[in-house]
Amino acid sequence: DVVMTQTPVSLSVSLGGQVSISCRSSQSLVHNNGNTYLSWYLQKPGQSPQLLIYKVSNRFSGISDRFSGSGSGTDFTLKISRVEPDDLGVYYCGQGTQYPLTFGSGTKLEIK
Amino acid sequence: QVQLKESGPGLVQPSQTLSLTCTVSGFSLTSNSVHWVRQPPGKGLEWVGAIWSGGSTDYNSALKSRLSISRDTSKSQVFLKMNSLQTEDTAIYFCTRELAHWGQGVMVTVSS
Repeated sequence: DVVMTQTPVSLSVSLGGQVSISCRSSQSLVHNNGNTYLSWYLQKPGQSPQLLIYKVSNRFSGISDRFSGSGSGTDFTLKISRVEPDDLGVYYCGQGTQYPLTFGSGTKLEIK
Repeated sequence: QVQLKESGPGLVQPSQTLSLTCTVSGFSLTSNSVHWVRQPPGKGLEWVGAIWSGGSTDYNSALKSRLSISRDTSKSQVFLKMNSLQTEDTAIYFCTRELAHWGQGVMVTVSS
C-alpha cells in the first residue's frame, strides 16, 4: 500500500497569514495514464471531509483561490493564503493512483 | 444537487454483521462510483471500498474477506455489508461520490 506522510501534525497561524502543509508518498503517484491522483481534503470540526484540490493542483468547485496545490512524483504541498477563521480543521492528503486508496494522517490547523 | 445519506444501526454486537445503506440523489449510480470511507473516533480516514459505475467492486485488502458492497440502481442505493465485526470496526462510516461529494456519515459502535 502507498503510505502518505503529512507534516506538520499541527500548526497554528494568525488570521491573514499563510501556511504550507507537506505530503509525501512512499511511491510515485504518477498513474500509467500520465495523471497524478493526489487530492487534499479539509474536515471541519464535526463535519464530513470536503474536497479542496484534486489531481495535485485543481481546485474543486466553489473552493477559494486562497487554496493552492503543487508538487509532483512523491512530494506535494498545500498552501493556504490569507487564512480565515473558517479554515480551521484537519487537512488530509489522499492518493487515488493505486488501490487501496490511502490518506495521510492529517494536519490540524488552529487559528491563533 | 448531489446528496448522499448513510443509514444503519448505531450499535452492533461483536461478531455480528454490519449493514449500511447509502441513499443518493442528484446523480446516477450507473455513471459514477460510490466509495465507503471510515474514520475511527479521533483518528484519520481509511478507505473501505468502492462500487464502480459498471457495477464492479474494489475492496481494501485488509477488509476484503469480511466485506461486500452492492447496489440497487432503481432505488439509488448502495449497500455495505461487513461481517465478523470487532471493536476495531467502531467508526464513522461515510459514503462518497468519487470522494468529491460526501454524506454526513453514520456512527457505528461495536460493543456488547
